[in-house]
Amino acid sequence: AQKITQTQPGMFVQEKEAVTLDCTYDTSDQSYGLFWYKQPSSGEMIFLIYQGSYDEQNATEGRYSLNFQKARKSANLVISASQLGDSAMYFCAMSPYNFGNEKLTFGTGTRLTIIP
Amino acid sequence: DSGVTQTPKHLITATGQRVTLRCSPRSGDLSVYWYQQSLDQGLQFLIQYYNGEERAKGNILERFSAQQFPDLHSELNLSSLELGDSALYFCASSASNEQYFGPGTRLTVT
Repeated sequence: AQKITQTQPGMFVQEKEAVTLDCTYDTSDQSYGLFWYKQPSSGEMIFLIYQGSYDEQNATEGRYSLNFQKARKSANLVISASQLGDSAMYFCAMSPYNFGNEKLTFGTGTRLTIIP
Repeated sequence: DSGVTQTPKHLITATGQRVTLRCSPRSGDLSVYWYQQSLDQGLQFLIQYYNGEERAKGNILERFSAQQFPDLHSELNLSSLELGDSALYFCASSASNEQYFGPGTRLTVT
């Protein structure tokens, strides 16, 4: 079974600072995918970034990067130069890397608040 | 806009009733996933369909069922509703390992 742990229920960060959201995972699978989603107060789930377990380089998407440390089983999200619009819930998730069976297991989320 | 559509956006119904939630995946995506987000349980995987066939089951109650039609849209049927079924229900679709979520249907059972 796969498990995701997010230990930060809430974070407050000053605007324009960088922020790191923690995520650790547990799985016995050799192949898996790691994801981060953003959920603003409006409720939709917005895909941010993906990292495959065999990817040697950390994934980046604009201001988002995923700090993947396989030996530590961690997949932290780094947001550079935070903006007020980054205030939201952030969920880390993982899935098995089996074609046609990619159900996601989610963490409990971190509520990020950006302070002007 | 993820390209995944869900209807209705909001649904208010009484205990004991039955409702149907509808999802249209992104064009070309064969997989559809249903998730439930509640305060008690967080985000939970319910069920997955792939090209019309059930592929995986998660924490889906026996009162709930789903299907995927030949045009790949999917429906989630919730029956004998209880107060605890109040939640945000998401549909997601994927063609590879990345999943894109619809806007969700907020179900309120009174």
